[in-house]
Amino acid sequence: ETGVTQTPRHLVMGMTNKKSLKCEQHLGHNAMYWYKQSAKKPLELMFVYSLEERVENNSVPSRFSPECPNSSHLFLHLHTLQPEDSALYLCASSQDPTGGNEKLFFGSGTQLSVL
Amino acid sequence: DQQVKQNSPSLSVQEGRISILNCDYTNSMFDYFLWYKKYPAEGPTFLISISSIKDKNEDGRFTVFLNKSAKHLSLHIVPSQPGDSAVYFCAASAIPGGGADGLTFGKGTHLIIQP
Repeated sequence: ETGVTQTPRHLVMGMTNKKSLKCEQHLGHNAMYWYKQSAKKPLELMFVYSLEERVENNSVPSRFSPECPNSSHLFLHLHTLQPEDSALYLCASSQDPTGGNEKLFFGSGTQLSVL
Repeated sequence: DQQVKQNSPSLSVQEGRISILNCDYTNSMFDYFLWYKKYPAEGPTFLISISSIKDKNEDGRFTVFLNKSAKHLSLHIVPSQPGDSAVYFCAASAIPGGGADGLTFGKGTHLIIQP
């Protein structure tokens, strides 16, 4: 496989459920990101991991918990979500978040619905 | 307050004509600007970028123009083709890759190429 792959593509969960989103990049990049796209809103940065260390969390609610076990894998653990958390969650990677290659490579996203 | 604005949610252009997508920004610290293209059920893919030291960057049918004094950039596609129908996101950053702040995105413009 090449690029950035995300699973699952679609997820429906209740407010009391616990689920995890998975992202894997096959590009040898050093940084990985979680973005959220709500309807009629711009993509919003949630978390950045550079060389497996979290750089920024942008005041995301604690019901979202990221995990980056290595430079190729990124998880977003979800628990006790609210209906307003329904959105498209996009994972991205880049070669170097501090300079050089400015391009982000995105996965196809997980469309999350919270009932 | 939105720092990157795409004021046209949608744009319809006839095949073979020029498509012009506009983007305005408010943060004078932004120095790098990117355009991403997104098809339904796929993640955004990088299209073209420009840094503030340039006012124009061209790649095949795609040209991005930057007017820093007006805090405005535009993407020109000529000639427009049916496969160009997609949502186009403008993004900006103060440093390549966005660093800890990631990229700041606009809401997107849905381009529809009419046969």
